[in-house]
Amino acid sequence: GAVVSQHPSWVICKSGTSVKIECRSLDFQATTMFWYRQFPKQSLMLMATSNEGSKATYEQGVEKDKFLINHASLTLSTLTVTSAHPEDSSFYICSAPRLGTSSYNEQFFGPGTRLTVL
Amino acid sequence: GQQVMQIPQYQHVQEGEDFTTYCNSSTTLSNIQWYKQRPGGHPVFLIQLVKSGEVKKQKRLTFQFGEAKKNSSLHITATQTTDVGTYFCAGRGGATNKLIFGTGTLLAVQP
Repeated sequence: GAVVSQHPSWVICKSGTSVKIECRSLDFQATTMFWYRQFPKQSLMLMATSNEGSKATYEQGVEKDKFLINHASLTLSTLTVTSAHPEDSSFYICSAPRLGTSSYNEQFFGPGTRLTVL
Repeated sequence: GQQVMQIPQYQHVQEGEDFTTYCNSSTTLSNIQWYKQRPGGHPVFLIQLVKSGEVKKQKRLTFQFGEAKKNSSLHITATQTTDVGTYFCAGRGGATNKLIFGTGTLLAVQP
């Protein structure tokens, strides 16, 4: 199957700092990537859709100025949590559908990034 | 907005027993996918259902998509300890390519 990587796998930061998370599709191109957030023992909540070469689409209730998304190439999307606070501590997961297959295809998930804000 | 609910939230079974999780969407879905997430891991794709009434099998797992394309189920026959994890359904509605995940069912299997 296709591979999606995320970096870092975990990060601990102080309140008020910014954290950048990278999501890469290693063996396929992805014009679209999705960013999810998962709190302990809860489901995945879609935060935003990252579109290569254009602005991201944010879900209702997600602050676009706080969660900056950049999709600079067909294999890389980044999520920057700006001025992080303890309530931003969560498991952040990206996913990408593989370009070229039908629109109704499986999504390949990255291994996730566990963010802890002190 | 679109909501996808799953029941039960948690199920504890003895190894060898069967298990079923049910998924219900507030809106009609164009397709539905099922994922498994092991503790500490990320979701792994299991299957996709597209057609109304579709039934697919993968070894001990049976997936079904409802006639109205608003509900789905996953049935595991004779559970094993390796089946432990959280099972999520995820549906797509309309032309969008984004998935809305269900609330998940955590399966615990006692040897």
